[in-house]
Amino acid sequence: DTAVSQTPKYLVTQMGNDKSIKCEQNLGHDTMYWYKQDSKKFLKIMFSYNNKELIINETVPNRFSPKSPDKAHLNLHINSLELGDSAVYFCASSQTGGQHSPLHFGNGTRLTVT
Amino acid sequence: DQQVKQNSPSLSVQEGRISILNCDYTNSMFDYFLWYKKYPAEGPTFLISISSIKDKNEDGRFTVFLNKSAKHLSLHIVPSQPGDSAVYFCAASVRPGTYKYIFGTGTRLKVLA
Repeated sequence: DTAVSQTPKYLVTQMGNDKSIKCEQNLGHDTMYWYKQDSKKFLKIMFSYNNKELIINETVPNRFSPKSPDKAHLNLHINSLELGDSAVYFCASSQTGGQHSPLHFGNGTRLTVT
Repeated sequence: DQQVKQNSPSLSVQEGRISILNCDYTNSMFDYFLWYKKYPAEGPTFLISISSIKDKNEDGRFTVFLNKSAKHLSLHIVPSQPGDSAVYFCAASVRPGTYKYIFGTGTRLKVLA
């Protein structure tokens, strides 16, 4: 009964390819996020979606396109992969709406671009 | 512009002693602060949080202290256990509904048996 699950866990691909990472949460949360952890271990927000609506896009290249078919899912599609895209990508969710609540993270997808 | 900073990349503590992890922030609009623990190959796990209207919050062995005037928070773990060895991240957010949590760069805690 994993709360936030993302697949795949590892992704190795070549430059120029297109790949997708999927995320699902069964917590009933209304907001989902993508975070990127780079080689310096810095966790940086990329996107957040509230009830399927894009709320935050942190100046991420438009090669990255998130898609939220419903509020339990937030997928990340990356076009024309570059070496600098190599990182660990974390999906997360939270319940918003008037009160602070913590983020719940998935276990990450380690993307390696060669 | 890093708004949340953890200036100690690593910390080693003997089992049974207190571990103190520190975090500084620059944005006075932050009003909610969190600590996360992360093991290798896993996602960060929420530990404890504190609202800006409080200066202390306790949950078992974990206590978070907030000093708003100094823009500083700390996590105390007492007593430290080997299973506490992990990377600890502090995070902060502005008012509810901003959908944005800013993370520090983490401190690697090693608890020595």
